[in-house]
Amino acid sequence: AQSVTQPDIHITVSEGASLELRCNYSYGATPYLFWYVQSPGQGLQLLLKYFSGDTLVQGIKGFEAEFKRSQSSFNLRKPSVHWSDAAEYFCAVASRSGNTPLVFGKGTRLSVIA
Amino acid sequence: KAGVTQTPRYLIKTRGQQVTLSCSPISGHRSVSWYQQTPGQGLQFLFEYFSETQRNKGNFPGRFSGRQFSNSRSEMNVSTLELGDSALYLCASSDPQGAYEQYFGPGTRLTVT
Repeated sequence: AQSVTQPDIHITVSEGASLELRCNYSYGATPYLFWYVQSPGQGLQLLLKYFSGDTLVQGIKGFEAEFKRSQSSFNLRKPSVHWSDAAEYFCAVASRSGNTPLVFGKGTRLSVIA
Repeated sequence: KAGVTQTPRYLIKTRGQQVTLSCSPISGHRSVSWYQQTPGQGLQFLFEYFSETQRNKGNFPGRFSGRQFSNSRSEMNVSTLELGDSALYLCASSDPQGAYEQYFGPGTRLTVT
């Protein structure tokens, strides 16, 4: 069965420090890959997506993610975290065959300290 | 374009009652998906509608149902509410002609007492 693992439930970083959130997936073939962010009381906002091509993808708010096929990973990174980045981050996958729902990881909650 | 809208934003119901939640997708999007989000189970897929037809269904009991109208607006209904149905219900729309990415609404927070 398809699954997405986000091994870190909660991460705390200092403002200005770099960030890496991990995501591993288990899928029959390379799926479409997504990162979403959810602020408290809000819906999910799409940060970035990987469909094909360059394995380093750029997203909004200064985020980027790297797809590594050999490791079945799609880690999210940001060089310098801002206090406004505190939120919950979800990695998600979807089949390339289409017409299938997103499968989400459990999420990683990011706290930012001064 | 306006984003995905969901109404109501907050709802309090009693066990045994039923509830209907509404979702209006982004203009031009014909696919609407529903998800349940709880602290324990995370985000779980409920169902997806495309052109008024249910295209996918998650592993939820028959008390959870939905429908889509000709203008792509969607409703989901939960009958005989249980305490465990307390959750954030998220709706997402997507454009099947474009890349497969879903745009989420703010959600409806349902509390069952």
